[in-house]
Amino acid sequence: SQTIHQWPATLVQPVGSPLSLECTVEGTSNPNLYWYRQAAGRGLQLLFYSVGIGQISSEVPQNLSASRPQDRQFILSSKKLLLSDSGFYLCAWRDTYTGDSAYTFGSGTRLTVV
Amino acid sequence: GEDVEQSLFLSVREGDSSVINCTYTDSSSTYLYWYKQEPGAGLQLLTYIFSNMDMKQDQRLTVLLNKKDKHLSLRIADTQTGDSAIYFCAETLNQAGTALIFGKGTTLSVSS
Repeated sequence: SQTIHQWPATLVQPVGSPLSLECTVEGTSNPNLYWYRQAAGRGLQLLFYSVGIGQISSEVPQNLSASRPQDRQFILSSKKLLLSDSGFYLCAWRDTYTGDSAYTFGSGTRLTVV
Repeated sequence: GEDVEQSLFLSVREGDSSVINCTYTDSSSTYLYWYKQEPGAGLQLLTYIFSNMDMKQDQRLTVLLNKKDKHLSLRIADTQTGDSAIYFCAETLNQAGTALIFGKGTTLSVSS
């Protein structure tokens, strides 16, 4: 079956510390992968998308970066967190082989930068 | 550019119908989506509609699509307190790996 794993579920990090959030997908190959952020009381903002290994596109200039070292692994990173990086981060994938119209979201990571 | 607009709040009484409206900009979106987010939780796909359809009904949910006006609506019949949540409309953006582009979400509050 097709599943998506995202961890950790919650994270409290001091300003200036590094960040690494991981997302892995099971049961599919060559998915399109996405990172979204939801700031408190706001909508979902697309941060990065990837259509293949090593292919990362950024939608918004920011303090974050993304990498896709393996086909089904998507990592969101920061070298030095800012207070404004706090939010709810969601990973998602879309099956590119079956043409399925559905997108699957992870359960999210709630990041608080203090 | 791409933009999805929704009203921010809707308040209804239990048993009434709720209608959440959305306008989108990308006419090339093959599908349009409605997602639900309960407090402190992730996103749940409610329903989606193919762009060449005008209407889709799924139990208490009815989606209406006016492609000419780029207007999408979600009607929830017999609204229950458990329907209280944030509802997001989304279009797809082919230039961004077919990413979903979301509106800011409509907070639905259902009172008993």
